[in-house]
Amino acid sequence: DAGVIQSPRHEVTEMGQEVTLRCKPISGHNSLFWYRQTMMRGLELLIYFNNNVPIDDSGMPEDRFSAKMPNASFSTLKIQPSEPRDSAVYFCASSSSRGLVHEQYFGPGTRLTVT
Amino acid sequence: DAKTTQPNSMESNEEEPVHLPCNHSTISGTDYIHWYRQLPSQGPEYVIHGLTSNVNNRMASLAIAEDRKSSTLILHRATLRDAAVYYCIRRGQGGSEKLVFGKGTKLTVNP
Repeated sequence: DAGVIQSPRHEVTEMGQEVTLRCKPISGHNSLFWYRQTMMRGLELLIYFNNNVPIDDSGMPEDRFSAKMPNASFSTLKIQPSEPRDSAVYFCASSSSRGLVHEQYFGPGTRLTVT
Repeated sequence: DAKTTQPNSMESNEEEPVHLPCNHSTISGTDYIHWYRQLPSQGPEYVIHGLTSNVNNRMASLAIAEDRKSSTLILHRATLRDAAVYYCIRRGQGGSEKLVFGKGTKLTVNP
């Protein structure tokens, strides 16, 4: 089992550039979550999908952030234009909503630095 | 709002038991209690969950107070690998799958 796969693992970009983070959930999972973690704000949920449909995007900071899930095995989180305050570790997680536990499995994260 | 309260940090010695407390005094009757931990430079990982009864798995035990207003995660023999931030989370049954992470408890394990 490869687990949740995220790419890239590290991204350094300049302010104003577009950034795209990618996630491949665990096969068979039908829920996918994007989180952001900073020292100041801790771990916060940005958006989550169920069966490829966005269910709750209340955590998305502003219009510069967008997320898509075109199919069950792939999701992207895009920031355009990026700003230094977007620097954080971005985690993707997946789970199966078919059982009772809904245990979430997290990827290794993408460390984003915007200069 | 995480709606749980945990100590910021705790320390333990290797091979000793660790009891990590969590207060969730406003928990509703259908909320599960989930515990996740985050090892340094890794994503969080699921540890255990429970509703009313005490629970055991290969990683830990979860003791839930009779009134469900608090719970304790028990690591029976701490190892250096257990050094992590431990998060106690309330999660409603049905509806949203959201997990709201608080600040958690940073556990330091001394050799």
